[in-house]
Amino acid sequence: NAGVTQTPKFQVLKTGQSMTLQCAQDMNHNSMYWYRQDPGMGLRLIYYSASEGTTDKGEVPNGYNVSRLNKREFSLRLESAAPSQTSVYFCASTKTAGSNQPQHFGDGTRLSIL
Amino acid sequence: TQLLEQSPQFLSIQEGENLTVYCNSSSVFSSLQWYRQEPGEGPVLLVTVVTGGEVKKLKRLTFQFGDARKDSSLHITAAQTGDTGLYLCAGGSGNTPLVFGKGTRLSVIA
Repeated sequence: NAGVTQTPKFQVLKTGQSMTLQCAQDMNHNSMYWYRQDPGMGLRLIYYSASEGTTDKGEVPNGYNVSRLNKREFSLRLESAAPSQTSVYFCASTKTAGSNQPQHFGDGTRLSIL
Repeated sequence: TQLLEQSPQFLSIQEGENLTVYCNSSSVFSSLQWYRQEPGEGPVLLVTVVTGGEVKKLKRLTFQFGDARKDSSLHITAAQTGDTGLYLCAGGSGNTPLVFGKGTRLSVIA
């Protein structure tokens, strides 16, 4: 099983460019999440979607937008990239929104903004 | 805002040694999870603990949830090089999203 698939794996952008990070899961999960991981900062939640048709802000939503395209797909958009958004981005999914649910992560997108 | 503090931040030990890493908070969590992350990959769940005082074992790894459900520990017996990685704890309550600690980076040297 593929689990959670993120594309692209690597990307370099110039300041001001826009980009959409794609995430798809094949486990029929209801809830999906976007995190960023920076050195020494752990995982910080950007946005999440508890169920298809809903999205909510996490800890660090500024500069990002999301779309829950359908049950399988949850995309993250940077409208005008800034160097502070250089990070590794992880998508995750859970069967339901309960906090005791195991999170299934993709392998990340490594994004550099010059 | 719920915060999880992990210690130590870095740990380098010889193969065969024992170690304990800690995850502490001033908040009560209804459940706590431990993940391991290897370079270039996403975190992978090791265990979920939900009851105060609960102890779970996964081969050489022993996880404990504090009686007050504010803290947790991970003990590794006879560490192996394959244990090298970033260990993350994450706590949650109800349907609110998980809060992750900053992680403990473990290096086991042969």
